[in-house]
Amino acid sequence: SYELTQPPSVSVSPGQTASITCSGDKLGDKYVCWYQKRPGQSPALVIFQNNRRPSGIPERFSGSNSGNTATLTISGTRAMDEADYYCQAWDISTESVVFGGGTRLTVL
Amino acid sequence: QVQLQESGPGLVKPSETLSLTCTVSDGSSSSSRDFWGWIRQPPGKGLEWIGIIYSSGSTYYNASLKSRVTMSVDTSKNQISLRLTSVTAADTAVYYCARLRGLGSGRWFDPWGQGTLVTVSS
Repeated sequence: SYELTQPPSVSVSPGQTASITCSGDKLGDKYVCWYQKRPGQSPALVIFQNNRRPSGIPERFSGSNSGNTATLTISGTRAMDEADYYCQAWDISTESVVFGGGTRLTVL
Repeated sequence: QVQLQESGPGLVKPSETLSLTCTVSDGSSSSSRDFWGWIRQPPGKGLEWIGIIYSSGSTYYNASLKSRVTMSVDTSKNQISLRLTSVTAADTAVYYCARLRGLGSGRWFDPWGQGTLVTVSS
C-alpha cells in the first residue's frame, strides 16, 4: 500500500519560515493536500491540489510537490500556526485515501 | 455552507458494533450529490482513513478495516452512516465525517464535522 512519510516535529521562530515535508514514491505524480489540526478541533484544509489555498486561508500558507516530496511552507509563522499538520494523497489505483503520520509544528 | 455533525454512542463494549451517523445540513449540498468519508484519530495518534462512499452508493474502505466496515447513505434524511463490527480497544478514537471533494487523482476532505469520541470499554 502507498505510504506518506512526515517528520514528527518541526520548530520555527515567530516570523520565520516553516517547511514541513511529506515524502512518498513518485509523489509528484499525485495531488497532495494539507490539513491543520489544532487540539480539540477538527482538521482544517489549508492546501489542496498541491498549491491551492481554500478561501479564508492566509497567503502565508503555500505548497509545492515535485519528485518524491511535497512541502507545506508557512511564511512569517505566527503563534496561532502552532498545530499538527497532515499531508494527504489519493491513490487512484486503489481508490484509497492516504494520510501522512503528521508533523507537530512548534512556534517558539 | 455545508455543515456536518456526527452522532452516536460514546461508549461501546468490546466485540460489539460501533454505529455512527453524520447529518449533513445546508441546502447547497446533499448526501445524494456529494461524496463522503469517515476518518478517525485514536488518542495521541495520527489521522486514519476509514472509507468513502460515492453518491452512486459505491464504497471504498481502508484495507485494514475492510472486513469490519460498512458505510451507507440515507438521502431522505441527508445522513451518512458508519458501522464497525467486532470493536476492540484499538478502535477507541475521535471519529470524523467529511465531504470528499475533487475528481480524478486529486481528492481532499472539506469540510469536516466536529468529531465524536467513541470509547471501547466494558
